[in-house]
Amino acid sequence: QVHLVESGGGVVQPGRSLRLSCAASGFTFSGNGMHWVRQAPGKGLEWVAVISYDGDNQYYADSVKGRFTISRDNSENTLYLDINSLRTEDTAMYFCARDLKNGDFDYWGQGTLVTVSS
Amino acid sequence: EVVLTQSPATLSLSPGDRATLSCRASQNINNYLAWYQQKPGQAPRLLIYDASNRATGIPPRFSGSGFGTDFTLTISGLEPEDFAVYYCQQRSNWPPLTFGGGTKVDIK
Repeated sequence: QVHLVESGGGVVQPGRSLRLSCAASGFTFSGNGMHWVRQAPGKGLEWVAVISYDGDNQYYADSVKGRFTISRDNSENTLYLDINSLRTEDTAMYFCARDLKNGDFDYWGQGTLVTVSS
Repeated sequence: EVVLTQSPATLSLSPGDRATLSCRASQNINNYLAWYQQKPGQAPRLLIYDASNRATGIPPRFSGSGFGTDFTLTISGLEPEDFAVYYCQQRSNWPPLTFGGGTKVDIK
């Protein structure tokens, strides 16, 4: 079955960088677009970024554009999110999710928590 | 950006009740709307896509309807495991993909 496992979260100081990973299994990873979605503590869901199945196209939320980079390694079945210049408002649980029909999410990982604090 | 407004913010019901959740879009999104369920400490789970299609493994007590700007998620006969937060999400005009603020269904 489809399985997505995020890793890489932790407590980080403002201004520092972090790389999140999402290991995928149970499906043909290279056949699906992939997303990152985040959720600040006690808040709602916020879409962050998407990458096409082949890695050629990426789109971002305005709130992270220029600081976040989504990428993938189809040979390793892994999705990444590089986060630079971390801000306190980036504190959130970060979920990776598989794209179903060009912009919705049929499978989600359990998330990795990023806490930005000095 | 398409803004999704969910109402009510909280719905207090009893097991066996019918739940009706609303999601209104700031512009026409055709049927490009999904619904997700999220329980505390868990990832969201897809319930409905394209306004009215149940996702794999979702029981028939969950149904979705609507087109354009007004959408409804109905849970006919609440089970104990259905008490959770529900989010709508649009994919009509993106980026960005956007979510509603959520409706919490809690036990009366």
